[in-house]
Amino acid sequence: DAGITQSPRYKITETGRQVTLMCHQTWSHSYMFWYRQDLGHGLRLIYYSAAADITDKGEVPDGYVVSRSKTENFPLTLESATRSQTSVYFCASSDLTSVGQFFGPGTRLTVL
Amino acid sequence: TQLLEQSPQFLSIQEGENLTVYCNSSSVFSSLQWYRQEPGEGPVLLVTVVTGGEVKKLKRLTFQFGDARKDSSLHITAAQPGDTGLYLCAGPIYNQGGKLIFGQGTELSVKP
Repeated sequence: DAGITQSPRYKITETGRQVTLMCHQTWSHSYMFWYRQDLGHGLRLIYYSAAADITDKGEVPDGYVVSRSKTENFPLTLESATRSQTSVYFCASSDLTSVGQFFGPGTRLTVL
Repeated sequence: TQLLEQSPQFLSIQEGENLTVYCNSSSVFSSLQWYRQEPGEGPVLLVTVVTGGEVKKLKRLTFQFGDARKDSSLHITAAQPGDTGLYLCAGPIYNQGGKLIFGQGTELSVKP
């Protein structure tokens, strides 16, 4: 299907485990982003990528790792999950000519 | 640091009422966007305003960009229960590629 997809949609894990959230877009957009959304904090940028093999930190990058070997995929890894990383995670993409971003449906992550 | 402040944070109204949501900043933005987010889903872009003083209409929604490009408003006429959701304003961060700064959001509830 065309668009931007995220998997899994829901994930429960334990403190200290490694977790990878997947993001896939079919538009060949240059930019991809990872946000977390928490009550009282709105959307906060974790990492972003301007193109394949180009990534940079956002506002809250600690504890997260990203990679972008292919334009269409932008996985986010929590190397050692902590309870403070319980959140809803959104992936988004945009192209060079559009200021607007297109968001995936989100992954609700719970760290016990 | 560019910031976007939205007001009000919460709004609960009856069907048929009018409402206005504000998005303010002390910084000038090249454009501002409005998104709507429904529960369990990602934000969806509603509109981008680019020119100071610009007014855009989307059915019962009217968006305005301030003359000085530091603020924007969203006015909904005759609100309906289907308008319920989180409304977010966002603006591009100066000289940072496709990155956006988001306001905290306005949670709108329209009761039948």
